[in-house]
Amino acid sequence: DTAVSQTPKYLVTQMGNDKSIKCEQNLGHDTMYWYKQDSKKFLKIMFSYNNKELIINETVPNRFSPKSPDKAHLNLHINSLELGDSAVYFCASSQSPNRGHEKLFFGSGTQLSVL
Amino acid sequence: SQQGEEDPQALSIQEGENATMNCSYKTSINNLQWYRQNSGRGLVHLILIRSNEREKHSGRLRVTLDTSKKSSSLLITASRAADTASYFCATGYSSASKIIFGSGTRLSIRP
Repeated sequence: DTAVSQTPKYLVTQMGNDKSIKCEQNLGHDTMYWYKQDSKKFLKIMFSYNNKELIINETVPNRFSPKSPDKAHLNLHINSLELGDSAVYFCASSQSPNRGHEKLFFGSGTQLSVL
Repeated sequence: SQQGEEDPQALSIQEGENATMNCSYKTSINNLQWYRQNSGRGLVHLILIRSNEREKHSGRLRVTLDTSKKSSSLLITASRAADTASYFCATGYSSASKIIFGSGTRLSIRP
């Protein structure tokens, strides 16, 4: 009954591979996000979806493609992985940020290591 | 960049003491939130303060917001070992879905 769950928790892969991270929320929230946290703990927003529509795309390389099949799911696919993609990726959701519900609920993170 | 900055980057205090962390940001905001992150875990929401509020309390937490100085502070009173974590401020803008995080303060509580 985890509120925001993402899989896998750990992902170790070779440079050049394609990988996906899945995220699901059972909170009935309208908005979902992907954040990237680097080794210095900087947390940077990557994408935001509201009811399956992309609303924020923060200068992320085209190799990153989010996909939201329904408002409870937001997956992240990464093509041609590079060393610099190594980081912890967090999925998050919020109820209705446009109507004053800005509190974010985070998943436990996916630690991606590109070798 | 809209990213906030937190000060100090790291703080180590004795259990029972108060801990104060500061956050500064660059552009006008709708709200500011504070989150805690334990090592290896996701972030957990602590408190939200809106731009028309100056102070808010939640248990041992006290948050202030000074929009004229574009800054906020988080005070944790009577610290406990379990408060050891990283603390992040996050600013919300008129484009309400964009929530930008600061660089974080690593807090260590010495027993």
